[in-house]
Amino acid sequence: DGGITQSPKYLFRKEGQNVTLSCEQNLNHDAMYWYRQDPGQGLRLIYYSQIVNDFQKGDIAEGYSVSREKKESFPLTVTSAQKNPTAFYLCASRDRGGGNTEAFFGQGTRLTVV
Amino acid sequence: RKEVEQDPGPFNVPEGATVAFNCTYSNSASQSFFWYRQDCRKEPKLLMSVYSSGNEDGRFTAQLNRASQYISLLIRDSKLSDSATYLCVVKMGDFNKFYFGSGTKLNVKP
Repeated sequence: DGGITQSPKYLFRKEGQNVTLSCEQNLNHDAMYWYRQDPGQGLRLIYYSQIVNDFQKGDIAEGYSVSREKKESFPLTVTSAQKNPTAFYLCASRDRGGGNTEAFFGQGTRLTVV
Repeated sequence: RKEVEQDPGPFNVPEGATVAFNCTYSNSASQSFFWYRQDCRKEPKLLMSVYSSGNEDGRFTAQLNRASQYISLLIRDSKLSDSATYLCVVKMGDFNKFYFGSGTKLNVKP
């Protein structure tokens, strides 16, 4: 079955550590996205990538980094520079075709700083 | 001003009620519009796309008003299983950026 997979589901990080969240899709989608969701709030865009080896900053990119070496994979690193990393992180992918093509989401990674 | 704004609710309605949500967006050049549903601690899932002429899917009806820059979602004959947060989503710009509203929470009571 095609889909988008995030791992791990839960992640605990000590202050000062970098952690990497995995996102893999087998939908053959060109576009991939990382969002952050805080309690009671909507999704905010961290980074997005339209094609392999290219990515753009979203609205809240500070303290995060990404890579897009393969079409299927778009890992997100939460660095120690991110001051408030505790949140629900969602990865999404989309066919780059125009019009009303939807974004598909992974099941999310819940990151907690301890 | 946020790109997409929604009333956060919660909307508390009895089973069988009709409920409507509105969402406004700031960029008149916005291209595509969607309603997503998000259950507690889960990922968002597409409920329906919103087309210029309006569209219906069973008990759900979506409308787009480009002149006033808002979209709406109408749910008829509410079911307990409709309880969730409904996210308004707008696609803008050349780079397919999606902007999400903060969501409207719906609680359907027996």
